[in-house]
Amino acid sequence: KAGVTQTPRYLIKTRGQQVTLSCSPISGHRSVSWYQQTPGQGLQFLFEYFSETQRNKGNFPGRFSGRQFSNSRSEMNVSTLELGDSALYLCASRSGTTGSTDTQYFGPGTRLTVL
Amino acid sequence: AQKVTQAQTEISVVEKEDVTLDCVYETRDTTYYLFWYKQPPSGELVFLIRRNSFDEQNEISGRYSWNFQKSTSSFNFTITASQVVDSAVYFCALSEGGGDDKIIFGKGTRLHILP
Repeated sequence: KAGVTQTPRYLIKTRGQQVTLSCSPISGHRSVSWYQQTPGQGLQFLFEYFSETQRNKGNFPGRFSGRQFSNSRSEMNVSTLELGDSALYLCASRSGTTGSTDTQYFGPGTRLTVL
Repeated sequence: AQKVTQAQTEISVVEKEDVTLDCVYETRDTTYYLFWYKQPPSGELVFLIRRNSFDEQNEISGRYSWNFQKSTSSFNFTITASQVVDSAVYFCALSEGGGDDKIIFGKGTRLHILP
């Protein structure tokens, strides 16, 4: 079974621009979660989507948004980029059966650099 | 509030030595899940183990073993006969029960295995 894939793997943007990151979950997985990893703050939860609906959200400003498509693929968008948005963005998928907390499997991440 | 503390930020040991990574967690829930993930230089988080709060049995998988003690809220990870390939950042994480997909990560322990 193919793992979680994320595209692109690397991105360089400038302040004020916007960016869209993509995540394809493991086949059959319906839940996709996004995390931001920075040296200072560590790994922080952004949001989780299940069956095209946002089910959970972390403590990030509204510039961070996401969506999920009917095939469970997810995109994350960051508008008006700031220098502090430079980070490794990790996507994780799990089967997402309601009421269970099965294991999340992570993708390789997208490294975003904001200049 | 939930919290995961990995007090050791960085550890260096010589190959073949045993090493224990500490993890202390805080939660008010009686149902919760604990995880360990490994992050090699490539950046992808690799799942190692998941343990629920009702299962205090220690687990061994090859050179890896985990010691879960609810009395001290700890979930420590030991690598026996360490190898250079074990060099990575190791994260302990906590997820509370009820299907909440949010995982709270510790800050991670960077492990260097010296040849």
